[in-house]
Amino acid sequence: AQKITQTQPGMFVQEKEAVTLDCTYDTSDPSYGLFWYKQPSSGEMIFLIYQGSYDQQNATEGRYSLNFQKARKSANLVISASQLGDSAMYFCAMRENRAGGTSYGKLTFGQGTILTVHP
Amino acid sequence: DADVTQTPRNRITKTGKRIMLECSQTKGHDRMYWYRQDPGLGLQLIYYSFDVKDINKGEISDGYSVSRQAQAKFSLSLESAIPNQTALYFCATSKTGANTGELFFGEGSRLTVL
Repeated sequence: AQKITQTQPGMFVQEKEAVTLDCTYDTSDPSYGLFWYKQPSSGEMIFLIYQGSYDQQNATEGRYSLNFQKARKSANLVISASQLGDSAMYFCAMRENRAGGTSYGKLTFGQGTILTVHP
Repeated sequence: DADVTQTPRNRITKTGKRIMLECSQTKGHDRMYWYRQDPGLGLQLIYYSFDVKDINKGEISDGYSVSRQAQAKFSLSLESAIPNQTALYFCATSKTGANTGELFFGEGSRLTVL
């Protein structure tokens, strides 16, 4: 079963507008972490934001925020005030924290969403 | 200088050749990983190591082997390369017990098998 699902292969947004990139996950582990990474065309992987399953508030890092809806098992990334430099591939990832579980400590990635910011 | 360094950055080779991708890190992290990225498939875990004496297979380990020579070094080998191993390979590190435990990635090694 797919653990991380990103249903939007590509998204377009106008510069200065906000955009939401969707991510849903599947786990039975009560303790887990959710991550978003950015991959620009140059290829490097850049960590953006983290949300722990027990965190009470949605994570925010500058223009990035994570809309965490635990009951729906979704962890959408919201980018406010898009910039041309935000054009990139975005990956959602999950780490399950249950010691002894087969997925313990490893990050599982979604397929990614390509975001294009138009001027 | 990058904290996680991969060599070579680009390599073109022929079917049947043995290839080694090397990774070294100066972050002092205990955990190291090899991922492969194919278009449309995200990143898939090949092998991971939680310390020097701990090596584990990931989702797609067939056709690959690894060696953790030291805490700072983790190499990936393709014993007999085949064209469908053409991909972008990433080494990554993380620290046990870190608050978020995010992965820190190298810049990637692009491998083409002809």
